[in-house]
Amino acid sequence: GENVEQHPSTLSVQEGDSAVIKCTYSDSASNYFPWYKQELGKRPQLIIDIRSNVGEKKDQRIAVTLNKTAKHFSLHITETQPEDSAVYFCAAREGTYKYIFGTGTRLKVLA
Amino acid sequence: GAVVSQHPSWVICKSGTSVKIECRSLDFQATTMFWYRQFPKQSLMLMATSNEGSKATYEQGVEKDKFLINHASLTLSTLTVTSAHPEDSSFYICSVTQGAGANVLTFGAGSRLTVL
Repeated sequence: GENVEQHPSTLSVQEGDSAVIKCTYSDSASNYFPWYKQELGKRPQLIIDIRSNVGEKKDQRIAVTLNKTAKHFSLHITETQPEDSAVYFCAAREGTYKYIFGTGTRLKVLA
Repeated sequence: GAVVSQHPSWVICKSGTSVKIECRSLDFQATTMFWYRQFPKQSLMLMATSNEGSKATYEQGVEKDKFLINHASLTLSTLTVTSAHPEDSSFYICSVTQGAGANVLTFGAGSRLTVL
């Protein structure tokens, strides 16, 4: 089955700097890769996603890149703000419904 | 996107008791719902796929007799933790996707279970 690895586990950046979180997956058949943001004690919220037929997608300060050949995808947050502080999870969809999540990255934006 | 309601948001129970958690899809009919478990500072682990009108599909290592799932209608799935023990204490989150082949996984607010 699918295996998703995520790095780093923790990340601290100064406000205004960029943050990059990387994930790798093992199943070349996976075709959809969402990113979720989870604030303390709350539900994970989808922030951006990318399909396997796209190499890059951007939404304001957030972007995701996908390298199908290397089987890795990354989340890029530019001009970070304190409210970006949260845990971020990447995921890969295996088959039609099953999502495998990475281990999470705790991002701390320092004011 | 889908609106998912989960209840209760938190529950404390004594060891040996059973706890039921409800997950409702408020704005559309969900033939499939998913139950995840999240231990503190850890990732989301899929426990089982809840199928309306049929048996749930459990992931490897998840005891079906321990975690009873019922999906009796298109808008409600329930997870019952039977004979709960302290090691069952966790954050349980349900989720739905909209329609076959749909991409977006929407989560409920989660239920924090503490077993004393």
